[in-house]
Amino acid sequence: KQEVTQIPAALSVPEGENLVLNCSFTDSAIYNLQWFRQDPGKGLTSLLLIQSSQREQTSGRLNASLDKSSGRSTLYIAASQPGDSATYLCAVRNTGKLIFGQGTTLQVKP
Amino acid sequence: EAQVTQNPRYLITVTGKKLTVTCSQNMNHEYMSWYRQDPGLGLRQIYYSMNVEVTDKGDVPEGYKVSRKEKRNFPLILESPSPNQTSLYFCASSLYGGLLEQYFGPGTRLTVT
Repeated sequence: KQEVTQIPAALSVPEGENLVLNCSFTDSAIYNLQWFRQDPGKGLTSLLLIQSSQREQTSGRLNASLDKSSGRSTLYIAASQPGDSATYLCAVRNTGKLIFGQGTTLQVKP
Repeated sequence: EAQVTQNPRYLITVTGKKLTVTCSQNMNHEYMSWYRQDPGLGLRQIYYSMNVEVTDKGDVPEGYKVSRKEKRNFPLILESPSPNQTSLYFCASSLYGGLLEQYFGPGTRLTVT
């Protein structure tokens, strides 16, 4: 059974710092991996989607990498801002199912 | 505007009273799915649908029913709600059998007393 783990569970950094969020999964037979952002009490916003054949995706200050063989993905956030404060979730797609990690709650202090 | 809508957004009900949470998308997506989010347990998939008249169980389907009679709609039915179904529910949709980005609705907060 696929399990997705995100470390750390919470992270607090000063504004301007570059940071890395980690996501690991146990079954490498995935179709894709998606990173989401969730603000308190809100829905999920898709940040980046990496297909299983890809190694990375970039959008603005965000860069996500995927290493299927080792079962790992990282989300790199450059020059963090207070507006980046949110919970970040990764999810892997197996057949029809989407399996989520527990998330990393990020606080960026001004 | 491309979006996934859910109704109602908030619902308080009593044990055993049947309810339906509606989900609709205007993006012509084949794939639709329901999730519940609980503190400490994260997001878990309830049911998904690869296309019209095709539905399948996710990880936590017990106590829920779904139907997919039209491409745009995917209602979640709780025939006899119980307090352990108190949760935040999300609907999502995607193109190409869910192989592209999943777009999420705003969520429905359900309380069963």
